[in-house]
This record gives sequence, C-alpha cells and structure tokens, in this order.
Amino acid sequence: GAVVSQHPSRVICKSGTSVKIECRSLDFQATTMFWYRQFPKKSLMLMATSNEGSKATYEQGVEKDKFLINHASLTLSTLTVTSAHPEDSSFYICSAPDFRETGNTIYFGEGSWLTVV
Amino acid sequence: AQSVTQLDSHVSVSEGTPVLLRCNYSSSYSPSLFWYVQHPNKGLQLLLKYTSAATLVKGINGFEAEFKKSETSFHLTKPSAHMSDAAEYFCVVSDGYGGATNKLIFGTGTLLAVQP
Repeated sequence: GAVVSQHPSRVICKSGTSVKIECRSLDFQATTMFWYRQFPKKSLMLMATSNEGSKATYEQGVEKDKFLINHASLTLSTLTVTSAHPEDSSFYICSAPDFRETGNTIYFGEGSWLTVV
Repeated sequence: AQSVTQLDSHVSVSEGTPVLLRCNYSSSYSPSLFWYVQHPNKGLQLLLKYTSAATLVKGINGFEAEFKKSETSFHLTKPSAHMSDAAEYFCVVSDGYGGATNKLIFGTGTLLAVQP
C-alpha cells in the first residue's frame, strides 16, 4: 500500500514558540490531506482538510491562526502550531487518500507527538 | 449525518480464541466503512474497507468484517487471536459517497487485550 510519512515523530518545544510538522505522501500525489488530533486514550478529531494550492478548510472550533496549514506541493502538507501552549500537547496525525486504488483508500502517517513545556 | 458506534470500549480475549469487535453505523446512503488499527504510540493502519462490493470483506492479518445492511452493522472478526493483535481498533465511516476527499468519522475505539 501507499506510504504517508510524518516528521518529526516526537518534538518538544517551549511555550510560546512555534513548531512545524510535515506530512508527506511518499509514492503518490495527494491533492488533499487531512490533519487529526488525538488526545490520550481518545478517538481522532479532524482538525482541517489541507488542499494543494488553496486554503485549508478548518473544522468548527479549530483556530486557523493557531494551526497553520500549508499544502505547497502534491506530496507535502505542513501543520504549524503557533505560539504553542501546554494544552496543545497532543498526538497529531495526517492522512492522505490514494486515488490510484479502488475505493480511494486513505492512508495515515505514523503520527507526531508534540509536548509543549 | 453519518456516524459509527463501537459498542465495546474494551475487549479481552485469550490467545487463540476468536475476536469480535462490534460496530454499528448510521448513514443516509450506502456508506463506505473501514476498520483501522492503532498500536501504542503509532499511527493508524488500514485493516479492511467496505465500498459496496462484496459484503464480506477480508483484510490483513486474518481479520474480516461483514457488512449487514439490515442490522446496520460492520463487526470485525478474527478466528484466532494473536498476542500481536493487542491494540486499539477504530471503526470508521466516510462522510459522503465514499470519495477519498470525504471526511472520515471515527468511532470511539475498542481496546483489544489478548491474554496469554
């Protein structure tokens, strides 16, 4: 199956700083990617839909100025957590659909642990 | 609106015994349904998917699921559990007609424990 890679897998940053998380589709092009947040022992919450060449679509309640999403190419989407606070600490996961496959399977990255201290 | 309900938050089985993880869905039209597995501190891996083809779907690692429209269910099963199956399992429905750009709606997850 297709591969979606996230980097970094773990990051620790100081409160007030910004941190960038990358999501790459390694062997296919993804015009759309999704960003999720997962709290410990909880399900995934969709944050936003990243669209190549246009603005991201944010879910209700997600601050677009805090969670900046850039989908600059067909294989890369980035999530930047700006002015991070401890409550932003979480597991962030991206996904991308592979249109080459019947049924348009969606593949997930390995996730990125963010700890804000 | 689409939704999924995972009926058990925790399931514990003994190694070598069958696994049953239950999922019911709600959808205004023929849904696309998925099961994903998440091992601790890892991303999600697709186990199997239903997209209106055969109602019995076979996935990886010996898992399968049966789409039952009359019961609005999509339960995940495996004949014999292995220790490596211990993980969190998510039942997922696609918000829309199954297109890849449709949003995925996740169930709350079922934590599977496998006892030796």
